[in-house]
Amino acid sequence: GENVEQHPSTLSVQEGDSAVIKCTYSDSASNYFPWYKQELGKGPQLIIDIRSNVGEKKDQRIAVTLNKTAKHFSLHITETQPEDSAVYFCAASKEDRDDKIIFGKGTRLHILP
Amino acid sequence: GAGVSQTPSNKVTEKGKYVELRCDPISGHTALYWYRQSLGQGPEFLIYFQGTGAADDSGLPNDRFFAVRPEGSVSTLKIQRTERGDSAVYLCASSLILSGGADGELFFGEGSRLTVL
Repeated sequence: GENVEQHPSTLSVQEGDSAVIKCTYSDSASNYFPWYKQELGKGPQLIIDIRSNVGEKKDQRIAVTLNKTAKHFSLHITETQPEDSAVYFCAASKEDRDDKIIFGKGTRLHILP
Repeated sequence: GAGVSQTPSNKVTEKGKYVELRCDPISGHTALYWYRQSLGQGPEFLIYFQGTGAADDSGLPNDRFFAVRPEGSVSTLKIQRTERGDSAVYLCASSLILSGGADGELFFGEGSRLTVL
C-alpha cells in the first residue's frame, strides 16, 4: 500500500520568512496530493491540493509543487505569519480508484516573532 | 449541524471495557471515514464508508474494532476489550464523494479522545 514520508518533523522560521515542507510517496499510481493544517484541539483542515496532471499550484501565500518522476511533493509558505503556526500534513491517494487518503506523520511549524 | 460532530469529545475507560464513539457527518455527505491519531503522529486510516457499506476496512487493527453506518448517515466506531494501546484521538471525516475527486475534500470533526487506563 501507499506510504507517505514527511520532513522535517519540526520547523521553526522567523515571521516573514518562508517555510518548506517536503513529502515523498511510494505508490506511483497515486495522483491526488492534499495538504491539511491542524490547529491544537481541532481536526485537520484542507488548505491546498494538487493533482498529478499539474506540477505546481499556488493560492496566495501557499504553493505546492509536484515531481511525479521522483515521487516528491512540497508545500511552500511565503511571508509567514503567526497564524501559520500549526501542524501540517501531506497526504496521497489514487483519486480515480476511490482510494483512501494516506497521511504523512506531520510537520509542526513554529513561527517565531 | 454545520460541521462534522463527534461524541464524546473525551472518554476515559478501564482496560477491558467496551467503548462506542459516534460521528454525525455533514448532511448530504455520502462518504465517511474514521482515522486514529496518536500523539505526534498523522491520522492513521481505519475504515471508510460509501453510503451504508464499508468500502474499505483494511485499516482496522484487529477484530476488536468494528464500525457501522446503518442508515448511511451517523456512524459508530465500536471497540471491544479496550487496551491501553487503543488510547488515541479518533477522528471522523466526511466528504461528498470518495477520495480526492472534485468534491472529495475531507471535512474532519474535532475528534474523540480515548484514554484507556
